[in-house]
Amino acid sequence: DAGVIQSPRHEVTEMGQEVTLRCKPISGHDYLFWYRQTMMRGLELLIYFNNNVPIDDSGMPEDRFSAKMPNASFSTLKIQPSEPRDSAVYFCASSLAGGPYEQFFGPGTRLTVL
Amino acid sequence: RKEVEQDPGPFNVPEGATVAFNCTYSNSASQSFFWYRQDCRKEPKLLMSVYSSGNEDGRFTAQLNRASQYISLLIRDSKLSDSATYLCVVGYRSNQFYFGTGTSLTVIP
Repeated sequence: DAGVIQSPRHEVTEMGQEVTLRCKPISGHDYLFWYRQTMMRGLELLIYFNNNVPIDDSGMPEDRFSAKMPNASFSTLKIQPSEPRDSAVYFCASSLAGGPYEQFFGPGTRLTVL
Repeated sequence: RKEVEQDPGPFNVPEGATVAFNCTYSNSASQSFFWYRQDCRKEPKLLMSVYSSGNEDGRFTAQLNRASQYISLLIRDSKLSDSATYLCVVGYRSNQFYFGTGTSLTVIP
């Protein structure tokens, strides 16, 4: 298995631009998670899905952030408009249902907003 | 108050040393506990789960103290390859985890 796949790996954009991060979970995993990691705040859960349905989005910082999972093999996290304080590493992770089971993380997207 | 708190370190120890990390959590209803390892500029990966009775995996020992709401990780005979950030993870529901900010370990030759 290729593991969790994320794209792009690096993104540099200017303030006010729209940013879309993509994730392909491990096949057969029912849960998908989006995290943001910064030095100051560590790893924060933004939102997670179960069987493509958003379960808890209380970690989404504000309305500028949105996430979708149109099917079992694809999810997006969108920031519109982006701000410099959104600069961070964004990780996608997936796991099996019925856990708690290990969460497998993708390599992350390093976002820089200028 | 943070859900999970860790001493960020850094811990700088010589090869062969024993080092211990502690982590405290705030929610007494926590159900699951883990240690993840994160190498520089890489993604976190599961190191080991933490069970109520304590568990050992080679040079690594994890302990859980529910009464005091902390978990610990002990690394014996440290290797250079153990240099990483160690993340304490606490789960409240079956698949929702809270991560600590991590403890940085550098093993020195």
